[in-house]
Amino acid sequence: AQSVAQPEDQVNVAEGNPLTVKCTYSVSGNPYLFWYVQYPNRGLQFLLKYITGDNLVKGSYGFEAEFNKSQTSFHLKKPSALVSDSALYFCAVRDMGGGFKTIFGAGTRLFVKA
Amino acid sequence: DTGVSQDPRHKITKRGQNVTFRCDPISEHNRLYWYRQTLGQGPEFLTYFQNEAQLEKSRLLSDRFSAERPKGSFSTLEIQRTEQGDSAMYLCASSPIQGAETQYFGPGTRLLVL
Repeated sequence: AQSVAQPEDQVNVAEGNPLTVKCTYSVSGNPYLFWYVQYPNRGLQFLLKYITGDNLVKGSYGFEAEFNKSQTSFHLKKPSALVSDSALYFCAVRDMGGGFKTIFGAGTRLFVKA
Repeated sequence: DTGVSQDPRHKITKRGQNVTFRCDPISEHNRLYWYRQTLGQGPEFLTYFQNEAQLEKSRLLSDRFSAERPKGSFSTLEIQRTEQGDSAMYLCASSPIQGAETQYFGPGTRLLVL
């Protein structure tokens, strides 16, 4: 069965510092991996995805994520956090061979302090 | 705005009443998804359409829930005999067939069952 774990409910970081939001996954086959961000009273916005190829994926707003197959992880990173990055972040996975069901993690709230 | 739209944005109803939500996907997107999101959780997959065909349904979608996409464009999600446990945000997303399944989300419909 597919699953996604975001081990941190909340991440606090100072503006200008690097940030990492963690995600681990479990699928029976090869994964499609996604990060989405949700601002208050808004729908989810796509940030980036990993399908195949280079393990370091670059996305919107300066975010990037590193796919690590041996550790089954897909951590979201940004070199320098902005206050405006404060939001709820969701990792998601779809099993490439398992239909169209996408599983989302419970989310990690990111607070960036000025 | 050519993104995914959902109507209504908010719905308050009494237990036992029926409610219907509408989703208009991005016009060239063949695939349409419904999710439910409760407070503190990530979106949970409910169902998926490719054009007018409903191809996958979650076990979360009890027989009180029905979704349609009659002409392969907009979709409706109906909940019959609502229960307090149905209170949640209902999210719609769409994606093209190509593009490795990046889903684009609408703003959601927040349902409160009293």
